[in-house]
Amino acid sequence: GENVEQHPSTLSVQEGDSAVIKCTYSDSASNYFPWYKQELGKGPQLIIDIRSNVGEKKDQRIAVTLNKTAKHFSLHITETQPEDSAVYFCAASRTSGTYKYIFGTGTRLKVLA
Amino acid sequence: KAGVTQTPRYLIKTRGQQVTLSCSPISGHRSVSWYQQTPGQGLQFLFEYFSETQRNKGNFPGRFSGRQFSNSRSEMNVSTLELGDSALYLCASSLMGAPDTGELFFGEGSRLTVL
Repeated sequence: GENVEQHPSTLSVQEGDSAVIKCTYSDSASNYFPWYKQELGKGPQLIIDIRSNVGEKKDQRIAVTLNKTAKHFSLHITETQPEDSAVYFCAASRTSGTYKYIFGTGTRLKVLA
Repeated sequence: KAGVTQTPRYLIKTRGQQVTLSCSPISGHRSVSWYQQTPGQGLQFLFEYFSETQRNKGNFPGRFSGRQFSNSRSEMNVSTLELGDSALYLCASSLMGAPDTGELFFGEGSRLTVL
C-alpha cells in the first residue's frame, strides 16, 4: 500500500542552525503535502503546506520544497529556536478520488540552547 | 472559535473491555477523521466521516468502529481491548473532507492505556 517515509527520526541542532527533514511518498496521485508540528501534550498543528503545482513555498523561517518527479519533499527550518523543539510530521494526500491522507512516522527535533 | 474537543483526555481500561471516545469538531466542519498515534508508527488512519456517513476506513480490525451524529460530533468505539490498543487517539476535523481535504484541525487526543 501507499506509504510516506520520513527521515531522520530524531534530529538535534544547535540554536541558530538550520534543520532539514525529508519525506518520500509512494502514491503518485498525491498532490497535497502538509507539514504538522506536534508539541508535547498537544495535537498536531499545520505549519506549512504545498500543492503539486508549486516547487517551493516559504513562510518566514520555514520552507518546503517539492520534487514531484522524485516523489520527495522536504521541510527546512532556518535560524532554529528552542521553541522549534517538537515532533514534525509530513503527510501526502490526494484532493480527488479516494481519501488518502498518509502521514510519515515523525521527526523529533531538539534545538539545543 | 472553539477548537476540536476530545473527551476523555485520559483513560485506563483492562483487556477485554470496550471504550468509547468522543470528538466535537470545529463548528461548521463536516468531516471528522480519527487517527491512532503510537511511538514509532506515526499517525495511522482509522476512518473518516462526512455528513454521518463513513466514507473511508483504514486497515484496522472490526473491533474499531465509529459513527457521526447530525451535529457532526463523532464517537469511536474499540471493543475487546488488547494491550496493543494502548495509544493516543486523535480526532481531526476539516471543512470539506475528502476529496478536497486540506488542512486538518486536530484535537489534543484521548490517551488510552490498556492493562
